[in-house]
Amino acid sequence: IAGITQAPTSQILAAGRRMTLRCTQDMRHNAMYWYRQDLGLGLRLIHYSNTAGTTGKGEVPDGYSVSRANTDDFPLTLASAVPSQTSVYFCASSDTPQGIDGYTFGSGTRLTVV
Amino acid sequence: ILNVEQSPQSLHVQEGDSTNFTCSFPSSNFYALHWYRWETAKSPEALFVMTLNGDEKKKGRISATLNTKEGYSYLYIKGSQPEDSATYLCAFDPSGGSNYKLTFGKGTLLTVNP
Repeated sequence: IAGITQAPTSQILAAGRRMTLRCTQDMRHNAMYWYRQDLGLGLRLIHYSNTAGTTGKGEVPDGYSVSRANTDDFPLTLASAVPSQTSVYFCASSDTPQGIDGYTFGSGTRLTVV
Repeated sequence: ILNVEQSPQSLHVQEGDSTNFTCSFPSSNFYALHWYRWETAKSPEALFVMTLNGDEKKKGRISATLNTKEGYSYLYIKGSQPEDSATYLCAFDPSGGSNYKLTFGKGTLLTVNP
């Protein structure tokens, strides 16, 4: 089934540890995004990529990095996790950067930093 | 940071009732307005992407209207069913230019009681 696969589904992580959240899509979408969802705050954009080889910062990029080596994969790395990064992380993609057909979302990764 | 407001925050209706909710967004530099349906324990799914002032889109019992000059969109559900229970998100795209970023509202949580 075409879509976005995120891994892991959930993770408990010790503060200070490094963690990479994986995101893979099989729709050949050009643009990909990482959002975090926090109670009362809604979905906030962390980083995005308009096309393979390019990335950009969203609303809340601090403490996170991304790479886009190819079309399909868009990993999100927390270099040194802190408790405030406890959240549910959603990866999304769109056919074009304009997203005119809407975004396709993954099922999310629930991360708890202790 | 763009201000995208949704109201009400939550709504309880009886099966068969028709309902509507509002998304407010900045009226300047408009490119597109997205609506998503987000069921509990699932990922958001695109309902509509609207780009033209006065646009009206429909999918089954759900429809949406757009007023870009005054900066609002309405989502209507006719004859609500329990399976319509979900959070409905709107998202504003201000540019369609080089920085393709959707800003999401916090959503309206709809509960349809049988």
